[in-house]
Amino acid sequence: AIQLTQSPSSLSASVGDRVTITCRASQGISSTLAWYQQKLGKPPNLLIYGASTLKSGVPSRFSGSGSGTDFTLTISSLQPEDFATYYCQQFNTYPLTFGGGTKVEIK
Amino acid sequence: EGQLLESGGGLVQPGGSLRLSCAASGFTFSVYPMSWVRQAPGKGLEWVSTISDIAGSTLYADSVKGRFTTSRDDSKNTVHLQMNSLRAEDTAIYYCAKDIGGWDAFDIWGQGTMVTVSS
Repeated sequence: AIQLTQSPSSLSASVGDRVTITCRASQGISSTLAWYQQKLGKPPNLLIYGASTLKSGVPSRFSGSGSGTDFTLTISSLQPEDFATYYCQQFNTYPLTFGGGTKVEIK
Repeated sequence: EGQLLESGGGLVQPGGSLRLSCAASGFTFSVYPMSWVRQAPGKGLEWVSTISDIAGSTLYADSVKGRFTTSRDDSKNTVHLQMNSLRAEDTAIYYCAKDIGGWDAFDIWGQGTMVTVSS
């Protein structure tokens, strides 16, 4: 199975900060990567798919990039509602796999 | 936008069975693959199973293969997860999720249903 390694596992940031989360795949997955945001007690919410395509309705401060094995999720200016856990997921090969998550906390 | 509503979770003893259901609304259910994803308490997300749209072919995680069966009823816009030989490690919130189209993301998720396997 393809392993996805997210880093960092957690971070503390302030409102207005630029935040970058990375996701590294154990083998190349082209651009078949999605990013989700999950708040406590809620289901995940799709932010980005195809590595860089923003889902309709998702704020433009979220962006994704990368292909092959290295991917990033960037929040250009962190807002209070962005404090959550973020997961990457690969769709290149079954079994589908998720990264371990990155918890974004308030500094 | 569509909605998904899971049901059927609960407390079950090890070795027991449970059948989860996911009712879809607000989109053309029959043309989308559907999946189950679970999350153990305080842990990350784990893909469990996917059922395709047209042929209804199924895929499973190794951790549930041979014990879980996914099916769909397009006439009722419903997908099911039959879980047999349940183990303590199957304890989790089970989410139903819709493929965005193109097999490359889950764009709609249900609220989840909790399954607890304990004696």
